[in-house]
Amino acid sequence: RKEVEQDPGPFNVPEGATVAFNCTYSNSASQSFFWYRQDCRKEPKLLMSVYSSGNEDGRFTAQLNRASQYISLLIRDSKLSDSATYLCVVNRNHLRFGAGTRLTVKP
Amino acid sequence: ETGVTQTPRHLVMGMTNKKSLKCEQHLGHNAMYWYKQSAKKPLELMFVYNFKEQTENNSVPSRFSPECPNSSHLFLHLHTLQPEDSALYLCASSQGRTSGGPLTDTQYFGPGTRLTVL
Repeated sequence: RKEVEQDPGPFNVPEGATVAFNCTYSNSASQSFFWYRQDCRKEPKLLMSVYSSGNEDGRFTAQLNRASQYISLLIRDSKLSDSATYLCVVNRNHLRFGAGTRLTVKP
Repeated sequence: ETGVTQTPRHLVMGMTNKKSLKCEQHLGHNAMYWYKQSAKKPLELMFVYNFKEQTENNSVPSRFSPECPNSSHLFLHLHTLQPEDSALYLCASSQGRTSGGPLTDTQYFGPGTRLTVL
């Protein structure tokens, strides 16, 4: 079993839609949690950290449920520029990446 | 952005060649990392250096040899690679830590070297 599991997608949504990504992790000793974004043929970039209390950054909301070992990312009012692969990442001694969920936002 | 640079950006090599990948960070960080990203697979950590000391070797074959001469530079020396080693090789850096324990700080990635082994 992979340590970080994500639905690979692809998610194809129209502009303005709300889309949610889910992620589960297998090791309860994981210490910190992140969402990274990776554009096609580019490097991953940190999108946001994820805290147990939930946190929001503009149109992006991240949630963490430690009891269920579940992480989510909600994107509201999708833009064309949101098209990318979203990587769920947990830190247990070092970063451990999910395979990513691909999002395409269409006009 | 030029915080973490990698050269070359693209590399094609034969199985008998020897080549090196270079990474340089301009962020004043003390920890540097090599990752491998193959198609449709998660990023795999290869090596970690913290204050020039190797702290992690994630069961990487010996045909990959890292070198960290100082906190700003990281190399990956390649020798007798296999076609399945073709991938995107990403370097990252972070603040690092002087005390023991895991590295939990934010990592910043370079643009990667796309390697093709023929």
